[in-house]
Amino acid sequence: AQKITQTQPGMFVQEKEAVTLDCTYDTSDPSYGLFWYKQPSSGEMIFLIYQGSYDQQNATEGRYSLNFQKARKSANLVISASQLGDSAMYFCARPNTDKLIFGTGTRLQVFP
Amino acid sequence: DAGVTQSPTHLIKTRGQQVTLRCSPKSGHDTVSWYQQALGQGPQFIFQYYEEEERQRGNFPDRFSGHQFPNYSSELNVNALLLGDSALYLCASSPRDSGNGAQHFGDGTRLSIL
Repeated sequence: AQKITQTQPGMFVQEKEAVTLDCTYDTSDPSYGLFWYKQPSSGEMIFLIYQGSYDQQNATEGRYSLNFQKARKSANLVISASQLGDSAMYFCARPNTDKLIFGTGTRLQVFP
Repeated sequence: DAGVTQSPTHLIKTRGQQVTLRCSPKSGHDTVSWYQQALGQGPQFIFQYYEEEERQRGNFPDRFSGHQFPNYSSELNVNALLLGDSALYLCASSPRDSGNGAQHFGDGTRLSIL
């Protein structure tokens, strides 16, 4: 079964600094890309960014960008200019047919 | 434009009871998926409904069942509740022909089993 690995259980970053959250996957199926979601303490999963498997350039959405390296099967999320409101759990997920396979998440804490 | 809505927000049950959770998908979405998220874990796929039928199922026992109504809303039923069923239950919706498979999630229902 496909597995998504997030090796950082927790990360700390100072406000206004950049932070990279790691994600690797173990399937060789090139069909699907990868999603990143943010989950605040309220519980909702908020879609952040998507990288298609065949996209030539790394995806960017405002302060979020993906460092997608297909050869290494990794898709790391970079958050630039961190804000206190970025403190949350972050999950990467990969589609498997129509369902999403999630990693175990990284808890990001932004401090002043 | 309302997003995915789930009810109730919180629920407390005892072992052996039955529970029904409800979900209304985002406007324009016809596919509903349910996920279980245990404390400290990522969400695990339970099943997906489209055209009022279960289309895919994850590794969950038959105690977990669901339904989709003609208006695309959905229910998740869990029978004979166990302590291990305590979790956040997330509903996600998507249009059937979504190109990148992006799913939109609700706020979830926190189920506690005593």
